[in-house]
Amino acid sequence: NAGVTQTPKFRILKIGQSMTLQCTQDMNHNYMYWYRQDPGMGLKLIYYSVGAGITDKGEVPNGYNVSRSTTEDFPLRLELAAPSQTSVYFCASSSGQPSPLEAFFGQGTRLTVV
Amino acid sequence: AQTVTQSQPEMSVQEAETVTLSCTYDTSESDYYLFWYKQPPSRQMILVIRQEAYKQQNATENRFSVNFQKAAKSFSLKISDSQLGDAAMYFCAYRSAGRDDKIIFGKGTRLHILP
Repeated sequence: NAGVTQTPKFRILKIGQSMTLQCTQDMNHNYMYWYRQDPGMGLKLIYYSVGAGITDKGEVPNGYNVSRSTTEDFPLRLELAAPSQTSVYFCASSSGQPSPLEAFFGQGTRLTVV
Repeated sequence: AQTVTQSQPEMSVQEAETVTLSCTYDTSESDYYLFWYKQPPSRQMILVIRQEAYKQQNATENRFSVNFQKAAKSFSLKISDSQLGDAAMYFCAYRSAGRDDKIIFGKGTRLHILP
């Protein structure tokens, strides 16, 4: 009964380093999302995917890349990390109609760029 | 583009009392879904309640209910008999029923429960 699993839970990066945030779901959901949540703020959509092989930009895509080679996995790549990317990152998945359509979330990754 | 606005950054309510959190949204679509999520200090995102736009009846889940006013594009959350465990950030979210399946969130309302 894993749901959406994100790794790692915490990470400290130096400016200019790169890393990949992993996200996998076992609910056979077509839709997957990446959000960032800055302190005291709401969730901003970075990228989303409506199925394997299909990705699209959200509200704040700059500095990130994604891929969706399988239904289960939706990794988020940070290239050349910057302090402005310090945030909590959430991965989420959801089904399509006629299912309830709400997003199921992972536990989040707290990323600090120093 | 769709937007979701929560105009109350913080609210407080006495334990056992009732509180209403506000949410408005902007869309040109007629078919969509609305959600309220709760985020306690653990950071986990928990679905509280959902509403389908085509349903006129307001959704209810135990102590949680919504007032959905489609024409006014308003979707408020009422919490009855507030409990200490209700203290959290609450986020309103919108999802299109069309091809664009983004889920957009408001900035949230932090709810404090006073003992």
